[in-house]
Amino acid sequence: DAKTTQPPSMDCAEGRAANLPCNHSTISGNEYVYWYRQIHSQGPQYIIHGLKNNETNEMASLIITEDRKSSTLILPHATLRDTAVYYCIVRVALGGSEKLVFGKGTKLTVNP
Amino acid sequence: DGGITQSPKYLFRKEGQNVTLSCEQNLNHDAMYWYRQDPGQGLRLIYYSQIVNDFQKGDIAEGYSVSREKKESFPLTVTSAQKNPTAFYLCASSMRTGHRVNEKLFFGSGTQLSVL
Repeated sequence: DAKTTQPPSMDCAEGRAANLPCNHSTISGNEYVYWYRQIHSQGPQYIIHGLKNNETNEMASLIITEDRKSSTLILPHATLRDTAVYYCIVRVALGGSEKLVFGKGTKLTVNP
Repeated sequence: DGGITQSPKYLFRKEGQNVTLSCEQNLNHDAMYWYRQDPGQGLRLIYYSQIVNDFQKGDIAEGYSVSREKKESFPLTVTSAQKNPTAFYLCASSMRTGHRVNEKLFFGSGTQLSVL
């Protein structure tokens, strides 16, 4: 019941920008979009989050469309260490409770 | 050095045996979570707890049990009723903001459980 849709895999050349898309067409007006990444056999790591404005930190940039139905995570200069599975998540309301739903994510492979 | 610690890193279970996975955090977070990850799959929520002495079932709670007697600790027991326990188990924690749980999760390094 993931509320986000991501491509299963992407490739990127080392040193180039990696643009990872995510569709979240059912997102509520006050819900944030969060991005995590998971390097093999480790716990996921928080990258960035945003509501409706574009955001940038030391790891990445997040571009959210004006209608908020999709977003793109940008790694400006991908390195081999950025090879990981990237998850885009939003909060899901469920019977009075709320939870975060992780889909299968996008496996990004950075090639030398 | 604050963080979230899972132990052991690797665990083996015999048929009919219950095993307990440990998760401890010193981040002063109210909410804690257990996720299960199968190879090539995303994370599926087993149980979560938003406050001490309270916890809720996630999507795949059958065959698992938890307790939350202390804020810092959220152990997960994989019971013999869980017929396919082999997976990578991840514990996470987050702050609460008012009545809502913050989505910024901090994860442990995981426990790989295998059946002998």
